Amino acid sequence: NAGVTQTPKFQVLKTGQSMTLQCAQDMNHNSMYWYRQDPGMGLRLIYYSASEGTTDKGEVPNGYNVSRLNKREFSLRLESAAPSQTSVYFCASKMDRTNYGYTFGSGTRLTVV
Amino acid sequence: AQSVAQPEDQVNVAEGNPLTVKCTYSVSGNPYLFWYVQYPNRGLQFLLKYITGDNLVKGSYGFEAEFNKSQTSFHLKKPSALVSDSALYFCAVRDQTGANNLFFGTGTRLTVIP
Repeated sequence: NAGVTQTPKFQVLKTGQSMTLQCAQDMNHNSMYWYRQDPGMGLRLIYYSASEGTTDKGEVPNGYNVSRLNKREFSLRLESAAPSQTSVYFCASKMDRTNYGYTFGSGTRLTVV
Repeated sequence: AQSVAQPEDQVNVAEGNPLTVKCTYSVSGNPYLFWYVQYPNRGLQFLLKYITGDNLVKGSYGFEAEFNKSQTSFHLKKPSALVSDSALYFCAVRDQTGANNLFFGTGTRLTVIP
């Protein structure tokens, strides 16, 4: 089925470890996004990529890096995980500036101990 | 800066009764507003959007939302709630700086009681 695929679904890290969250979409969308979801705070934008080859910071970029590997894939990297990064991470995509309907992945639940 | 507020963390409604999930917004200029729903262990799903035109917007699963400019509100409504409507609902507003990102509210958990 077409959509946004995130891997892994669950992950436990120790403080200081690094990891990369993977996201891929097969809808030929131009824009891709990484959000984190925390209780009582809704979704907050970490980074986004308006098109292949470009990335920009969102509301809460500190502690993260991203790579727009190609049009399909947009990865999120935690270089040195901290307990404050315990969250549920969502990747999303949309076609272009005129289409405001985001398609979300099913999320990655990350725990940093 | 643009933002949305969802004043209720939790809304409970009996099955068959009408439901309302509230959202107010703050933007400079014309707002682009959205509602999304999140079922357990799933990503968000698009319900409906207001860009321009009629103040009453119809969306998926029988939901609708009423845009009220004077009250800066965009409340989500459904005439008759189903148990399957129980989920987490998010209101969102489009970033007006040109990046076209969405800013989300904190979410409202709707529970429909059989």
